[in-house]
Amino acid sequence: EAQVTQNPRYLITVTGKKLTVTCSQNMNHEYMSWYRQDPGLGLRQIYYSMNVEVTDKGDVPEGYKVSRKEKRNFPLILESPSPNQTSLYFCASTSDSLATYFGPGTRLTVL
Amino acid sequence: GENVEQHPSTLSVQEGDSAVIKCTYSDSASNYFPWYKQELGKGPQLIIDIRSNVGEKKDQRIAVTLNKTAKHFSLHITETQPEDSAVYFCAAVTLGDYKLSFGAGTTVTVRA
Repeated sequence: EAQVTQNPRYLITVTGKKLTVTCSQNMNHEYMSWYRQDPGLGLRQIYYSMNVEVTDKGDVPEGYKVSRKEKRNFPLILESPSPNQTSLYFCASTSDSLATYFGPGTRLTVL
Repeated sequence: GENVEQHPSTLSVQEGDSAVIKCTYSDSASNYFPWYKQELGKGPQLIIDIRSNVGEKKDQRIAVTLNKTAKHFSLHITETQPEDSAVYFCAAVTLGDYKLSFGAGTTVTVRA
């Protein structure tokens, strides 16, 4: 089954404690991205990757890092999380025809 | 960058009636327009899309129309059912890009 998986689904942490949200896709897509969803602000792109070892900032990259060492994996890293990063995060994978598939989401709370 | 506006923000319809959601976009270079359905606790799911060389596309009870001149596109759901209750997002992608610019979403409630 074609899918995007991400873990963990729920995470409560404290300010400054580094965390990583993993993302994996099995569709052999080159383009992957991360979005955050906030009430009233909709879905906004954090980072994207055009291919292995190629990443770039989206609209709201501050406080985040990503890496793309393998085609299927695209982890999101928060090196020093702050309360304003409390949000619902989605990993996404996009085909050459532009169809984008989202993971199930990670609800992050930073205390 | 691209700016997508979506209306209405909430929509309540009687089961069996039609629902229409409208979006406008700002960048005339946008050429791909997907629609997503998001159910509670889940990620957005692609339900239908349309490209700029097509005016209308249908898939069973769902249809999308595109007016390039006016820069707006719409989602039509006919014969609504309770399982159509969800948040719907429109989006636009600019030619040569992959990034989705989303509308703010429409919460659709189908009353039994």
